[in-house]
Amino acid sequence: EAGVTQFPSHSVIEKGQTVTLRCDPISGHDNLYWYRRVMGKEIKFLLHFVKESKQDESGMPNNRFLAERTGGTYSTLKVQPAELEDSGVYFCASSQAGAQNIQYFGAGTRLSVL
Amino acid sequence: SQKIEQNSEALNIQEGKTATLTCNYTNYSPAYLQWYRQDPGRGPVFLLLIRENEKEKRKERLKVTFDTTLKQSLFHITASQPADSATYLCALAVSGGSYIPTFGRGTSLIVHP
Repeated sequence: EAGVTQFPSHSVIEKGQTVTLRCDPISGHDNLYWYRRVMGKEIKFLLHFVKESKQDESGMPNNRFLAERTGGTYSTLKVQPAELEDSGVYFCASSQAGAQNIQYFGAGTRLSVL
Repeated sequence: SQKIEQNSEALNIQEGKTATLTCNYTNYSPAYLQWYRQDPGRGPVFLLLIRENEKEKRKERLKVTFDTTLKQSLFHITASQPADSATYLCALAVSGGSYIPTFGRGTSLIVHP
C-alpha cells in the first residue's frame, strides 16, 4: 500500500513567486492535514480537510495560502506571493475516518524562498 | 500560554542501554499524548499513543508513561540499537478538540555501537 506522497520534495523560488505543493493521501483516508515546520521550531498545524471540506483552517498564516482538495482525493497548497518567512518544510498527513488520532505523514516538501 | 518541552540537547547512549526521553507540558488538558519518530528527510512516524486515563503503554521495546499530575510523559527504548537513532517527537491532543496534535520540537537520540 502506498503511503502519503508529496511533490515536489524540494522547491526553491524567489520572493514574490507562486508555488503549489501537492499531497496524495493514503487511498481511502477521508482526513487530510497540512503542517509546516520552520527551521528551529516545532511542527505546526495549518489545515484539516474531511473529504473535500475544510474542517479546520485555524493554522493558516494568512490569505497568501490557499489549500484545496477537489473531489476529496489529493490536495494542493498554493502560496502566492511567497515571502521569505514562508520557507520551511511542509508536511501532509492523512488518517482514516474514525481513527483521526493516528496520522500518516508524507516525507514533506522543503520550500526555500530566496 | 501552552507549552510542550522536550530536551533540545541530543541524548547519546551506548548500544544495549535504555534510552529515556522526556516530554513536559504546561497549560494543557490533554486527551492523549503521542510519540513519533522522525528520521532526516522523512516525515514523522507514529509510534505510540497513551490516553489521559492510562499510566503506561508498551509496544515491543518501547514503553511510554503518562503522569497528568506532573504533566509529564517519559518514553523509554530498552536494549537500544544504533538503528534507534532518530529524533523523537512528543505531541498532545487536547480534550474537546478535533484530534489535531500539537508537537514538541523533538529530542535527538544517538545510539553508539
